[in-house]
Amino acid sequence: DAGVIQSPRHEVTEMGQEVTLRCKPISGHDYLFWYRQTMMRGLELLIYFNNNVPIDDSGMPEDRFSAKMPNASFSTLKIQPSEPRDSAVYFCASTLSPGRQPQHFGDGTRLSIL
Amino acid sequence: AQTVTQSQPEMSVQEAETVTLSCTYDTSESNYYLFWYKQPPSRQMILVIRQEAYKQQNATENRFSVNFQKAAKSFSLKISDSQLGDTAMYFCAFMKSNAGNMLTFGGGTRLMVKP
Repeated sequence: DAGVIQSPRHEVTEMGQEVTLRCKPISGHDYLFWYRQTMMRGLELLIYFNNNVPIDDSGMPEDRFSAKMPNASFSTLKIQPSEPRDSAVYFCASTLSPGRQPQHFGDGTRLSIL
Repeated sequence: AQTVTQSQPEMSVQEAETVTLSCTYDTSESNYYLFWYKQPPSRQMILVIRQEAYKQQNATENRFSVNFQKAAKSFSLKISDSQLGDTAMYFCAFMKSNAGNMLTFGGGTRLMVKP
């Protein structure tokens, strides 16, 4: 089992640039979650999908953030335009059935906006 | 809304000794799940242990066990025979069992195991 795969592992870019983070969930998992981790706010859920459909995006900070899941094996989180306060570690997680089965996390993308 | 509180920002323990990490939560739900996740310096989020609220028996996983007190809304993690590899951030997390399958995390406890 390859686990949840995120790319890139690190991203450094300048303010105003578009950033795209990618996630491949574990095969067969029908729930996918995007989290953000910062020192100030800890781990926050941004959005989650069930069967490729966004279910709850109430954690998405603002319109500059968007997430898509075009198919069961791929999801993106996009920030446009990026700002220094978006600097954080972004995690993707997937699961077959939340609660009954645990969420499996990717290794995260460390994003630095200069 | 649910809240999860970890009152110990940092803890340390000598190798081979036992340490207990505290977690309390606030919810009006009767059915839910509780988790402890470990985040070592490598940044991975690793599930340590899970507890279903309807189960009275405390969950155990090898050297890791929990003390689940539902009435007190307390969910502490005990690590026995601490090893250097246990050095990490530990996060307590809550999940409702019905619709709304979101993890709410506590602020974390940084555990240092000393040789």
